[in-house]
Amino acid sequence: AQKVTQAQTEISVVEKEDVTLDCVYETRDTTYYLFWYKQPPSGELVFLIRRNSFDEQNEISGRYSWNFQKSTSSFNFTITASQVVDSAVYFCALSEGGYQGGKLIFGQGTELSVKP
Amino acid sequence: ETGVTQSPTHLIKTRGQQVTLRCSSQSGHNTVSWYQQALGQGPQFIFQYYREEENGRGNFPPRFSGLQFPNYSSELNVNALELDDSALYLCASSPGQGTSGTDTQYFGPGTRLTVL
Repeated sequence: AQKVTQAQTEISVVEKEDVTLDCVYETRDTTYYLFWYKQPPSGELVFLIRRNSFDEQNEISGRYSWNFQKSTSSFNFTITASQVVDSAVYFCALSEGGYQGGKLIFGQGTELSVKP
Repeated sequence: ETGVTQSPTHLIKTRGQQVTLRCSSQSGHNTVSWYQQALGQGPQFIFQYYREEENGRGNFPPRFSGLQFPNYSSELNVNALELDDSALYLCASSPGQGTSGTDTQYFGPGTRLTVL
């Protein structure tokens, strides 16, 4: 069965600290896709990144970086030098290939609070 | 490029009533998916439509139904509302067929439904 686990429910940091959000997934498929979304208080889910199962290269985008490790079924997200505007709920999600592969399976989310 | 829009923003209904939520997909996106997000939870997949046909369905009863129209708009209908239907309903559009799982889903701001 497919499942996404975000064990950290809430994280609180002070501005400029680095913070890592953990994501562990379960799937039996060899082809799958992993996503991170940000949900600010306004409610809209904002797409951050997509990774496919064949690409284990880490990715960096400004202050954001992602570490994908198939060996541990993890897809962790690090924010470097956090800012107050990073405060939001972050969701990790899994999508499988093939029929009915279009649905996203979300974790419970991690609420990040960045204090000035 | 116009993003995904949803209406209304908020809605209050009483138990047993019926509700229709609307979504306008991003231009050129053939696939629309609907999710229910209860407070403090990750979004749960309701169903997906591709070219006006249901393309996949999550674990939701038949009283949740949808329509997709040729002009990239879609509707989510919920009959016989229950208290547990209170949630944020999110619509997401994607450019491909949806079932491949490869496409990124772009979300609208959601409709907050309260059932009293």
